[in-house]
Amino acid sequence: GESVGLHLPTLSVQEGDNSIINCAYSNSASDYFIWYKQESGKGPQFIIDIRSNMDKRQGQRVTVLLNKTVKHLSLQIAATQPGDSAVYFCAENLSSTGGFKTIFGAGTRLFVKA
Amino acid sequence: GAVVSQHPSRVICKSGTSVKIECRSLDFQATTMFWYRQFPKQSLMLMATSNEGSKATYEQGVEKDKFLINHASLTLSTLTVTSAHPEDSSFYICSASSRGGEKLFFGSGTQLSVL
Repeated sequence: GESVGLHLPTLSVQEGDNSIINCAYSNSASDYFIWYKQESGKGPQFIIDIRSNMDKRQGQRVTVLLNKTVKHLSLQIAATQPGDSAVYFCAENLSSTGGFKTIFGAGTRLFVKA
Repeated sequence: GAVVSQHPSRVICKSGTSVKIECRSLDFQATTMFWYRQFPKQSLMLMATSNEGSKATYEQGVEKDKFLINHASLTLSTLTVTSAHPEDSSFYICSASSRGGEKLFFGSGTQLSVL
């Protein structure tokens, strides 16, 4: 299957600080991107998405930035809390037979220190 | 929000046996379901995509005769790992999207351990 099967990089932040998680995507034709949060032993949870015709989208405490020129996504979490500790994945939708498929990036493990 | 239920959450089986994992969309019609596999400390790897009533489309390197996928209704897809071996031990996760939707809703995953 398609994915980046690397061991997860780690980001450690102090509670209350802002976190920035980065991701590079592979296909310049992708037009829809998603950030997911995965806690240990669970399935991914949707956080925020963005279309390729936008470069920024904000949610509650989270912001996604998209730079199509360099195929780069970032997720910013404001005032990071211990409950934000998890693995974060970016994902891109690629056209596929019958519709689309969602391909996940390598992921980043976020540790929040109290 | 859309809910996807996956069962069992954990299964331990002997080498050579087959294991079936179910994935159900509880409050929406899942026209497309996706099956992923995740090894420890790694990302999710797409195994196959199934559209209701059609044969599944498998990713390169995934054996279709070993990982049987059935998507017979708009609310249920199953993954059967046939003749499981220890190297098949992994976390299997299903997801679903509704007609015209691009966002995936994920099940809670199944931890398969093959002894």
